[in-house]
Amino acid sequence: GAVVSQHPSWVICKSGTSVKIECRSLDFQATTMFWYRQFPKQSLMLMATSNEGSKATYEQGVEKDKFLINHASLTLSTLTVTSAHPEDSSFYICSASPWEEYEQYFGPGTRLTVT
Amino acid sequence: DAKTTQPTSMDCAEGRAANLPCNHSTISGNEYVYWYRQIHSQGPQYIIHGLKNNETNEMASLIITEDRKSSTLILPHATLRDTAVYYCIALQGAQKLVFGQGTRLTINP
Repeated sequence: GAVVSQHPSWVICKSGTSVKIECRSLDFQATTMFWYRQFPKQSLMLMATSNEGSKATYEQGVEKDKFLINHASLTLSTLTVTSAHPEDSSFYICSASPWEEYEQYFGPGTRLTVT
Repeated sequence: DAKTTQPTSMDCAEGRAANLPCNHSTISGNEYVYWYRQIHSQGPQYIIHGLKNNETNEMASLIITEDRKSSTLILPHATLRDTAVYYCIALQGAQKLVFGQGTRLTINP
């Protein structure tokens, strides 16, 4: 149980375009989902916390107009990187917490390369 | 959240027990100790968590000192697939996870 999927697993896009990454909890309902970013040889950095049906809470330094997060249902959250630039190339990972549990279960990650 | 400190890297022979230490001297009474690991190019995997008592599950054991200022994650029979970065995190309730640099554990054949 407690499986989280992400789609796509990797994506290459041109500079200036937008990319959408999906995060799904497959066998549980998640009221809270988290989005992280990880650059090579670095640790995970939390970008934002999203709660179903409400606006996401962004960490300091993360541009909310550039990284659009939608948590429209209890099993799906999306992250859209708008007007992507090469410096946005990174490993994006989501996680989800089941209702009334504190453990976070992580997706496999999405590797974004902006050319 | 309490800050945790871990060794940067460790090596362990395959088949032996891997003991990963973590210091959390400023942990508060209601903060849990969580352990996650990240295998290269994958999302982190939850391992175990505890508050005061030692815990064991199918993956590992967690030993927490009586004063709760440190803990040890034990992988009883390490395999090559246990090679990963292991993160020790102290947090309370539904607080957000803050990942440090973790310990890079290498299991050697």
